[in-house]
Amino acid sequence: DGGITQSPKYLFRKEGQNVTLSCEQNLNHDAMYWYRQDPGQGLRLIYYSQIVNDFQKGDIAEGYSVSREKKESFPLTVTSAQKNPTAFYLCASSNGLAGTYEQYFGPGTRLTVT
Amino acid sequence: KQEVTQIPAALSVPEGENLVLNCSFTDSAIYNLQWFRQDPGKGLTSLLLIQSSQREQTSGRLNASLDKSSGRSTLYIAASQPGDSATYLCASNDYKLSFGAGTTVTVRA
Repeated sequence: DGGITQSPKYLFRKEGQNVTLSCEQNLNHDAMYWYRQDPGQGLRLIYYSQIVNDFQKGDIAEGYSVSREKKESFPLTVTSAQKNPTAFYLCASSNGLAGTYEQYFGPGTRLTVT
Repeated sequence: KQEVTQIPAALSVPEGENLVLNCSFTDSAIYNLQWFRQDPGKGLTSLLLIQSSQREQTSGRLNASLDKSSGRSTLYIAASQPGDSATYLCASNDYKLSFGAGTTVTVRA
């Protein structure tokens, strides 16, 4: 089955700790994205990557970091600098960055920081 | 900066009624507009994608229209069922997706 996997589904961390969220896709898509969703708000773009070893900041990149060493993988690290890290995090991918390409989403990781 | 608005925030209808969900966006220079469904605690499922050159797109009981000049898109769901209960999100694409906050739909049996 082709798709996007995110792990773990639920993640709990203490304040001040860095945490890495996993995202893997086997759709052979070039572009990958990380979004954050808070209750009552639309999704907001954190980082995106069009090709391997290249990525760009989205609208709310502060306190987050990413890497894109392989086409199929785009892990997100939530650092201790992120002031409000508790949220639902969604990974997505598409065939290309702009134009007519449809985005496909993973099942999400719910991060709770106490 | 693109702003996407969805009104109403919540909607409750009896089974069998047709649903009309509204989405408006401020910048008409978009490549396409996508409608998604999200069940509680789950990821997004793509429902329909309308290219900027299209006026509407249909899939089964779902029909989405796009009017770029007025910055509006509408999702119609015919003969609603309890299984249609979910949050529906629209997103405009001008090289990146800008999302509305969604409309949460409850279909009462």
